[in-house]
Amino acid sequence: EDQVTQSPEALRLQEGESSSLNCSYTVSGLRGLFWYRQDPGKGPEFLFTLYSAGEEKEKERLKATLTKKESSLHITAPKPEDSATYLCAVHAPNQAGTALIFGKGTTLSVSS
Amino acid sequence: GAVVSQHPSRVICKSGTSVKIECRSLDFQATTMFWYRQFPKQSLMLMATSNEGSKATYEQGVEKDKFLINHASLTLSTLTVTSAHPEDSSFYICSAKGIEQYFGPGTRLTVT
Repeated sequence: EDQVTQSPEALRLQEGESSSLNCSYTVSGLRGLFWYRQDPGKGPEFLFTLYSAGEEKEKERLKATLTKKESSLHITAPKPEDSATYLCAVHAPNQAGTALIFGKGTTLSVSS
Repeated sequence: GAVVSQHPSRVICKSGTSVKIECRSLDFQATTMFWYRQFPKQSLMLMATSNEGSKATYEQGVEKDKFLINHASLTLSTLTVTSAHPEDSSFYICSAKGIEQYFGPGTRLTVT
C-alpha cells in the first residue's frame, strides 16, 4: 500500500536555528512529491514539487531535496512566521485521476 | 494566480439537515477537483475525485449517497452533505488541478 511518513511529528526551534523535516515514501511509480504548508484552520499552501532523485528547489528560507525513497525540507534561520504544519504528499493514481496521498505532517514552532 | 475559493468558510447545521459547500477555481479552469476531509490533528484524507461533466469517483469507505458531488463547470464543484450527523463534523477542503494542485481555504462544518 502506498504510504507517506513524516518525521518528526513536532519540532520546536529557536529563531535562527536551522533544521530539517523528513518525508519517506513508498509508492510505485513516483510521479511527483509535493510539499505544502498549512496554517491552523486554513487550506494547504503549495510550496514545491519534486520529480526526480537529486532534484532540489528553494524558496526563501526553505530548500527541498529528493532522493529515491525520501525527501527533506530544510529550513535555514527560521523566523516565527515560519511556524506552521508542513505536509508532504505524493501523487498516486486513482480511478479517475491523480490524487494526493498526504503524510501526517510536521508541526513546526519557531520561537523568538 | 491559481486561487481556489470555498463557500461557506464555516457552517453550523442541525442533525438531519443537508449542507452544500461550493469550491471554485477563480483564475483557471479545472477539469479535475478533489474533496478532502481533515479531522483535528490529522492529515488530509481524500474523499472523492470530481471530473467536470461526469460522475465523481469516491474513495473506499466514503458513502456516495451521503456526500453528493457535482462538478457542473470547469470552475465549480459542489459537495452536499446529506442528512448530516454530528460525526460528519469536520474540516472539508477542496482542491483544483491546474499546473499544480491548489487548495481552497476549507469549510468548517459543525453538526449539532
